[in-house]
Amino acid sequence: SYELTQPPSVSVSPGQTARITCSGDALPKKYAYWYQQKSGQAPVLVIYEDSKRPSGIPERFSGSTSGTMATLTISGAQVEDEADYYCYSTDSSGNHRVFGGGTKLTVL
Amino acid sequence: EVQLVESGGGLVQPGGSLRLSCAASGFSFSSYWMSWVRQAPGKGLEWVANIKQDGSEKYYVDSVKGRFTISRDNAKNSLYLQMNSLRAEDTAVYYCASNMDVWGKGTTVTVSS
Repeated sequence: SYELTQPPSVSVSPGQTARITCSGDALPKKYAYWYQQKSGQAPVLVIYEDSKRPSGIPERFSGSTSGTMATLTISGAQVEDEADYYCYSTDSSGNHRVFGGGTKLTVL
Repeated sequence: EVQLVESGGGLVQPGGSLRLSCAASGFSFSSYWMSWVRQAPGKGLEWVANIKQDGSEKYYVDSVKGRFTISRDNAKNSLYLQMNSLRAEDTAVYYCASNMDVWGKGTTVTVSS
């Protein structure tokens, strides 16, 4: 079955840039989406279609892709950005969806 | 206000059945793919199933194929997940999501004897 691979954890100091990667064989042809999930809450979409930002999401959140890797970048990370982040995409058939294993972002 | 509200979760014995519902409001429910996503305690998100706008296409993660059935009633703005032959590993918070950009708060399913 198709898999998306993320690092388990990323840690930065406030104001630094955090980068979270997601690798998958189908990413060159399929969009990546990114979700933020804070403890005890439902996930929130922060990036869709590789690099688009939904309304209400701060500009410090951006997305990019290169080959088989998608990257979520948080420029000037803030303490309130501490959360689990998940990438999401589909396999090459487009019929089966998958989440990455999640990355715990620590900002301190 | 765009809203999704799940219901139907609870405690069920292994081998039992449960039907989850998701009530949608504030948007054109019939215009969007709908999905179920679950999260086991302390674990990551897992996509479970999705269904096309008119119900003509349905897809499932391998671990639930043959046991779970996703369906929708556009007249009632509602999404469903019929879960049969439940196992301990199905224990999770189940979220419904519209087009994967609007999510409900989830309903908890616990499979235990």
